[in-house]
Amino acid sequence: EPEVTQTPSHQVTQMGQEVILRCVPISNHLYFYWYRQILGQKVEFLVSFYNNEISEKSEIFDDQFSVERPDGSNFTLKIRSTKLEDSAMYFCASTPSSGANTEAFFGQGTRLTVV
Amino acid sequence: GESVGLHLPTLSVQEGDNSIINCAYSNSASDYFIWYKQESGKGPQFIIDIRSNMDKRQGQRVTVLLNKTVKHLSLQIAATQPGDSAVYFCAEAFSGGYNKLIFGAGTRLAVHP
Repeated sequence: EPEVTQTPSHQVTQMGQEVILRCVPISNHLYFYWYRQILGQKVEFLVSFYNNEISEKSEIFDDQFSVERPDGSNFTLKIRSTKLEDSAMYFCASTPSSGANTEAFFGQGTRLTVV
Repeated sequence: GESVGLHLPTLSVQEGDNSIINCAYSNSASDYFIWYKQESGKGPQFIIDIRSNMDKRQGQRVTVLLNKTVKHLSLQIAATQPGDSAVYFCAEAFSGGYNKLIFGAGTRLAVHP
């Protein structure tokens, strides 16, 4: 069964450093997303991406965050200068099309720890 | 503002019993409501969804009920098994968007033998 894969599974970084979280969405999917989950809290939407541009972003997704699809398979989330409060699980997701009834497939997540 | 929340943070059940997980939402404009299951160390996994113009939908061992009058969503799991132990999230989505999901806080289901 096709799946969304994320690397690394765990990333530890020092405050102020840049991190790049990587995702390989399902190959025939066209819409890509990043969500985050602070420990013990709910999953929060960060950004959606389609046709090589951001289609929607939340207030969490400030100018410290960026996303990119550098090639035909990878989808990355970059945090330019990490803060302690960026520590969370980051989930990548993809869907084959848009629309509220389209099932989103999630990766297993990257645990980001900022120290 | 928009919010999706859960009544119970933890639910413990005996294996074989039926489980009911509840969720309250506040946005009447949502078109779809979805239940996700999250096992330890994994990402959310789709279980079942329901359109806003329906009040009940059944899957394999799961049933989702939607009561728009009181803005309440529930997930019923029949004959709960140890493999059902996980955190369950309700989420809502809106037509015309890009499938942005708004998640609730999560309920942990613990199934005891």
